Amino acid sequence: RKEVEQDPGPFNVPEGATVAFNCTYSNSASQSFFWYRQDCRKEPKLLMSVYSSGNEDGRFTAQLNRASQYISLLIRDSKLSDSATYLCAINNAGNMLTFGGGTRLMVKP
Amino acid sequence: GAVVSQHPSRVICKSGTSVKIECRSLDFQATTMFWYRQFPKQSLMLMATSNEGSKATYEQGVEKDKFLINHASLTLSTLTVTSAHPEDSSFYICSARDEWRGGPMDTQYFGPGTRLTVL
Repeated sequence: RKEVEQDPGPFNVPEGATVAFNCTYSNSASQSFFWYRQDCRKEPKLLMSVYSSGNEDGRFTAQLNRASQYISLLIRDSKLSDSATYLCAINNAGNMLTFGGGTRLMVKP
Repeated sequence: GAVVSQHPSRVICKSGTSVKIECRSLDFQATTMFWYRQFPKQSLMLMATSNEGSKATYEQGVEKDKFLINHASLTLSTLTVTSAHPEDSSFYICSARDEWRGGPMDTQYFGPGTRLTVL
């Protein structure tokens, strides 16, 4: 089993839709969790950290479920500009992040 | 967010040559930087952790003699791909930890990446 797993998608949704992605992790001792956004042929950009209590930033909501070992990202009112690959990243120990394979989102008009 | 730059953004070279990639943290100091490689349609794979003033820590399967890393200052890490071959063609991305900004200490900020093509 991979350390960090994501459904590669693509998720094809219409503008205005709500879409959610999950990311499962295998190490129960994982410390920190993040969602990154990566556009085609560009570097990943930090979208948000994921806190134990869950956190929201505008249309984006991130949740952590330690019992089931997954994090989630919910995007409300999808925009065309949300089309990208969303990478989850987990810090298990020390400084290193382990990335999931990414979930591709395509928002259609 | 914190700003990380990389240079060059794109390089095309002949097989057998060496290529040097620079990664700079522009508005913060980074004792730790990371080098990743990403092949098309795949995720980022950590190659090595670069530590200022000490030797880099390489991930399993990454040849340290082929991918030379130097982190001589708190704002600069370099990756040299020695004797590059076509299979080394990839997107190389660095990141740096900003240990003093708000948020989890292990938040990493990425450079824009370097696309290497070896002919």
